[in-house]
Amino acid sequence: SQKIEQNSEALNIQEGKTATLTCNYTNYSPAYLQWYRQDPGRGPVFLLLIRENEKEKRKERLKVTFDTTLKQSLFHITASQPADSATYLCALVPIYNQGGKLIFGQGTELSVKP
Amino acid sequence: DTAVSQTPKYLVTQMGNDKSIKCEQNLGHDTMYWYKQDSKKFLKIMFSYNNKELIINETVPNRFSPKSPDKAHLNLHINSLELGDSAVYFCASSQIGVGTDTQYFGPGTRLTVL
Repeated sequence: SQKIEQNSEALNIQEGKTATLTCNYTNYSPAYLQWYRQDPGRGPVFLLLIRENEKEKRKERLKVTFDTTLKQSLFHITASQPADSATYLCALVPIYNQGGKLIFGQGTELSVKP
Repeated sequence: DTAVSQTPKYLVTQMGNDKSIKCEQNLGHDTMYWYKQDSKKFLKIMFSYNNKELIINETVPNRFSPKSPDKAHLNLHINSLELGDSAVYFCASSQIGVGTDTQYFGPGTRLTVL
């Protein structure tokens, strides 16, 4: 069956460290993968997109990698800050894309302690 | 200035009632979506409309009926509400076909069925 999975357990790290979140998928052929941030009581907000032919993408303190052999994307936040605390969702867009359909993982809650 | 707005923010109602949630986007996008986020934070697509035409209809009970009067609006009507309908419902919009399908989410409507 098709699955997209993220670390279900919350990730707690110290301020200044690098947070690494994992997104694994099975039985999909993603055209690309997106990462969103969701704060409590709010809708998800788009952060980064990486295409199947890209290995890595960066935006300020954020870095995303995409390994289609391992069927995995890693999301890194360097020099993390308490303001980075939120739930992070990965979402993939299948190659057979039906009108923009996104398939989301269940999200990983990140807590950055001062 | 709000890109995607939803009303109401909270909805508390009794089982068996009929209710509607409204969504509007001012981004000029051609595609709008409804997602359901359950208590485990899993975000799942329900419907999408492209230029007022239904293009994605996931396995959703037919008590849920979306309506798109124009491409800037997508409303969700729910008949005969059940306890299991309690969740947060998010509206989103995107411009498909530009190679990213980045979605912009509304703030969510928390529906509680008693």
